[in-house]
Amino acid sequence: AQSVTQPDIHITVSEGASLELRCNYSYGATPYLFWYVQSPGQGLQLLLKYFSGDTLVQGIKGFEAEFKRSQSSFNLRKPSVHWSDAAEYFCAVGVMEYGNKLVFGAGTILRVKS
Amino acid sequence: DAGVIQSPRHEVTEMGQEVTLRCKPISGHNSLFWYRQTMMRGLELLIYFNNNVPIDDSGMPEDRFSAKMPNASFSTLKIQPSEPRDSAVYFCASGDTGTVDGYTFGSGTRLTVV
Repeated sequence: AQSVTQPDIHITVSEGASLELRCNYSYGATPYLFWYVQSPGQGLQLLLKYFSGDTLVQGIKGFEAEFKRSQSSFNLRKPSVHWSDAAEYFCAVGVMEYGNKLVFGAGTILRVKS
Repeated sequence: DAGVIQSPRHEVTEMGQEVTLRCKPISGHNSLFWYRQTMMRGLELLIYFNNNVPIDDSGMPEDRFSAKMPNASFSTLKIQPSEPRDSAVYFCASGDTGTVDGYTFGSGTRLTVV
């Protein structure tokens, strides 16, 4: 079955430091992969997506993610974190045989220290 | 576009009462999803519709839950009777299955059953 694992429940980084959030997926076919961000009390906002082609994808707010098929990973990165990046981040895989149903990971809560 | 619109934003109800959550998807989107988010279980897909037809309702927890999509611009999720364990944030999302473009989420309805 399709699944997404985000191994880190919480991560704390200092403002200005680099960030990497881990995501591993399990899916038999070519995956469609997404990262969403959720600020407190808000819905989920799409940060970036991967369908095919270049394995390094750029998203909004200065985020990028790299797809590594050999490692079944789609890690999210940002070179310099801002305090406003504090939120919960969700990785998701699109399941094509169910009309692009999204299966989400458990999320990683990012805290930013000033 | 106003995005995915959910109402109400907050709902407090007594156990045993009927609760109806509403969603207006983005115009032109042909798929609609209902998710539930709790601390314990994260984001769970309850049901999804494609072209107003329910495709996968395997995530609906019990017969107390029902969802309808009478037309392309409106969907409801009903819980009858409600129980305290139904307390959660319920999100509606819409998308275009033709593009595999991820989904746009509404701001959610925070349901508290006392």
